Amino acid sequence: DADVTQTPRNRITKTGKRIMLECSQTKGHDRMYWYRQDPGLGLQLIYYSFDVKDINKGEISDGYSVSRQAQAKFSLSLESAIPNQTALYFCATSDGGVADTQYFGPGTRLTVL
Amino acid sequence: GQQLNQSPQSMFIQEGEDVSMNCTSSSIFNTWLWYKQDPGEGPVLLIALYKAGELTSNGRLTAQFGITRKDSFLNISASIPSDVGIYFCAGRNQAGTALIFGKGTTLSVSS
Repeated sequence: DADVTQTPRNRITKTGKRIMLECSQTKGHDRMYWYRQDPGLGLQLIYYSFDVKDINKGEISDGYSVSRQAQAKFSLSLESAIPNQTALYFCATSDGGVADTQYFGPGTRLTVL
Repeated sequence: GQQLNQSPQSMFIQEGEDVSMNCTSSSIFNTWLWYKQDPGEGPVLLIALYKAGELTSNGRLTAQFGITRKDSFLNISASIPSDVGIYFCAGRNQAGTALIFGKGTTLSVSS
């Protein structure tokens, strides 16, 4: 089984709808992250959390919110989706050690019509 | 915000050729990482570098942490079709901060 899972893998929605993307990990890591990927722009950090009570904004947090329900779960919400939020979304985890290597989920492709 | 400049943006090569790509930063980094993303997948870590001047290999891949701590390069020798994908550099400028990613190098290999 994959260490970092994301649901759904694909989602098509309409402008103005509320959307939640979920991430779960079995690696036992404290740190979790949400990134957005657009063609030619690489990975942009939306939000990150270093433990259950910690939430931090990344580069592009406007229009997004997150919830760290447990060590293993970190969800990303779009309260009112808009077309320019169409993108590939990745969740990642890390252990916060010296290396603090990030491990990525398989991604969620979101299309907002 | 802080940015990494990754180049080239894309490469089209023949199977068997060597490949080189690099990243530069305007500030000093303590960690450099190289990831590969296959189509439809999340990025996977290839090589991690933690010391200035460090040279690390992973099979046909070799990466170096620049002496100035502001750059890193990745070399792939004798490329094969499965090397196709997007390669990302990422850096961290101090402990406890999130990674900063380059915009990626898209590699195409023709057989």
